[in-house]
Amino acid sequence: DIQMTQSPSVLSASVGDRVTLNCKASQNINKYLNWYQQKLGEAPKLLIYNTNNLQTGIPSRFSGSGSGTDYTLTISSLQPEDVATYFCFQHNSWPLTFGSGTKLEIK
Amino acid sequence: QVKLLQSGAALVKPGDSVKMSCKASGYTFTDYIIHWVKQSHGKSLEWIGYINPYSGGTNYNEKFKSKATLTVDKSSSTAYMEFSRLTSEDSAIYYCASHWFAYWGQGTLVTVSS
Repeated sequence: DIQMTQSPSVLSASVGDRVTLNCKASQNINKYLNWYQQKLGEAPKLLIYNTNNLQTGIPSRFSGSGSGTDYTLTISSLQPEDVATYFCFQHNSWPLTFGSGTKLEIK
Repeated sequence: QVKLLQSGAALVKPGDSVKMSCKASGYTFTDYIIHWVKQSHGKSLEWIGYINPYSGGTNYNEKFKSKATLTVDKSSSTAYMEFSRLTSEDSAIYYCASHWFAYWGQGTLVTVSS
């Protein structure tokens, strides 16, 4: 199975900050990497698919990049409503696997 | 718009089975496979498997192969997951998802307790 390692596990930042979340795969996943946002009590919400494609309706402050085994989600200017846990997800190989999440907090 | 409506919370006894549903609307049910995902309390997400509503074909995560059974009823655009021989480790929220995980149901909370 491909292991997805996210860092940091908790991130505290101020409103307006540029925030970077990391995801590392245990092997090459050929950019088949999605990012999800999960707020408390809600289902995950797709933000970015296939590394750098913004899902319809998602604010442009969210962006993704990466290749091979290393991927990044960037929030250009953190907003209060961005408080959530963020998961990466690889769909290159079976079984599909998720990262353990980064909990994003506001300072 | 695409909606996936899941069945309500279930309280079940150890050793029992539970069958939960995921009713799709807003698109042609047979056009997109349905995935199922487990989220244990406060933890990450695990992919259980998927079913192709058109063919009935399935693909399971090896970890859940003896635990989960996926079926569909095309006439009602509903996918089902049955989880058997439940233990406390199966207490979790279970989600269905379609359109390659772009759309998710609201989740079904399963609590296993005597």
